[in-house]
Amino acid sequence: NAGVTQTPKFQVLKTGQSMTLQCAQDMNHNSMYWYRQDPGMGLRLIYYSASEGTTDKGEVPNGYNVSRLNKREFSLRLESAAPSQTSVYFCASGQAYEQYFGPGTRLTVT
Amino acid sequence: EDQVTQSPEALRLQEGESSSLNCSYTVSGLRGLFWYRQDPGKGPEFLFTLYSAGEEKEKERLKATLTKKESFLHITAPKPEDSATYLCAVQVFQGAQKLVFGQGTRLTINP
Repeated sequence: NAGVTQTPKFQVLKTGQSMTLQCAQDMNHNSMYWYRQDPGMGLRLIYYSASEGTTDKGEVPNGYNVSRLNKREFSLRLESAAPSQTSVYFCASGQAYEQYFGPGTRLTVT
Repeated sequence: EDQVTQSPEALRLQEGESSSLNCSYTVSGLRGLFWYRQDPGKGPEFLFTLYSAGEEKEKERLKATLTKKESFLHITAPKPEDSATYLCAVQVFQGAQKLVFGQGTRLTINP
């Protein structure tokens, strides 16, 4: 039982490049989430998926897209990376009164 | 607007010196209050969920309590391995169960 897994762990991009962050969970949760964590800003919700086939915007969705591929997988895509997207990205899954986080992806955009 | 404020931002204690961390919140529809522990370079690790005022939960040296406006994380006789950032989040329902986080308290326990 791996919980929530994320790939890659680290990534460096040049401005304008694109990439997809992958997330998978094996806890059979309906809901999945993408957050970013920046110094002094705390964790902020980018997008979430309440169930397979649905996605919705969170607090800071600009510059991102998501895909809920199936119940297990939820990906986050940066179409044209900007330095302001340098951050640590966390995926989480949960239902009812629990939410569990993955280990994070540290992204640097130069 | 839903808001969560944690204090202090940082706290340094000696091993064995008990203290409390505060999390105050203003939300339109509280479904639960979560406490997480986060070690450097890692994802938040779930500690507790509290659902209603008056509720308390304990885990080893940690005890979380909840009132209508705030939650406290009490740390009794802490050890250096309790050093971490402690995050508080309130759960609201807006189409899905969503968490609104505070900025965290960075706790350092000196041996």
